[in-house]
Amino acid sequence: KQEVTQIPAALSVPEGENLVLNCSFTDSAIYNLQWFRQDPGKGLTSLLLIQSSQREQTSGRLNASLDKSSGRSTLYIAASQPGDSATYLCAVTPPGNTPLVFGKGTRLSVIA
Amino acid sequence: SAVISQKPSRDICQRGTSLTIQCQVDSQVTMMFWYRQQPGQSLTLIATANQGSEATYESGFVIDKFPISRPNLTFSTLTVSNMSPEDSSIYLCSVSLYQETQYFGPGTRLLVL
Repeated sequence: KQEVTQIPAALSVPEGENLVLNCSFTDSAIYNLQWFRQDPGKGLTSLLLIQSSQREQTSGRLNASLDKSSGRSTLYIAASQPGDSATYLCAVTPPGNTPLVFGKGTRLSVIA
Repeated sequence: SAVISQKPSRDICQRGTSLTIQCQVDSQVTMMFWYRQQPGQSLTLIATANQGSEATYESGFVIDKFPISRPNLTFSTLTVSNMSPEDSSIYLCSVSLYQETQYFGPGTRLLVL
């Protein structure tokens, strides 16, 4: 059974710092991996999608990497801003048209 | 991309009552999913809503408690029946599109007293 773990559970950094969020998954047989952002009490916003054949994806200040063989992904946020404060969720899509498996998220606070 | 709306955005309900949550998508999609996010927890899939057939429920979720309708390719409802405080959660609707990217609605925040 696929399990997704995110470390750390919470992170607080001063504004301007670069930071890395970690995600690991137990079964390397995935179709893709997604990083989401969730603001308090809100739904999810998809940030980056990495296909299983890809190594990384970039969007603005965000860079996500994928090492499928080791079951790891990282989300790198450059020059963090207070507006980046949110919970970041990692999710993998198992093979076939099956739903995502989510980690519990990392709650990020960027202090001005 | 897909734009998904949910109604209501939030509600406070009494124990023993039922609440129906609506999910509307701006394009036709084959598969829609309903998730629950309990306080401090990650998302848990409740069921997959297929148009024209019965929903497929995950382990621990049953149709009597969470009946789902999927009358067409752009709309679905989830009912939380006979509610208890343990049902207090955010309920999210999502759809799967091209390259299996999933898009999520804004969620419905439910508090059961």
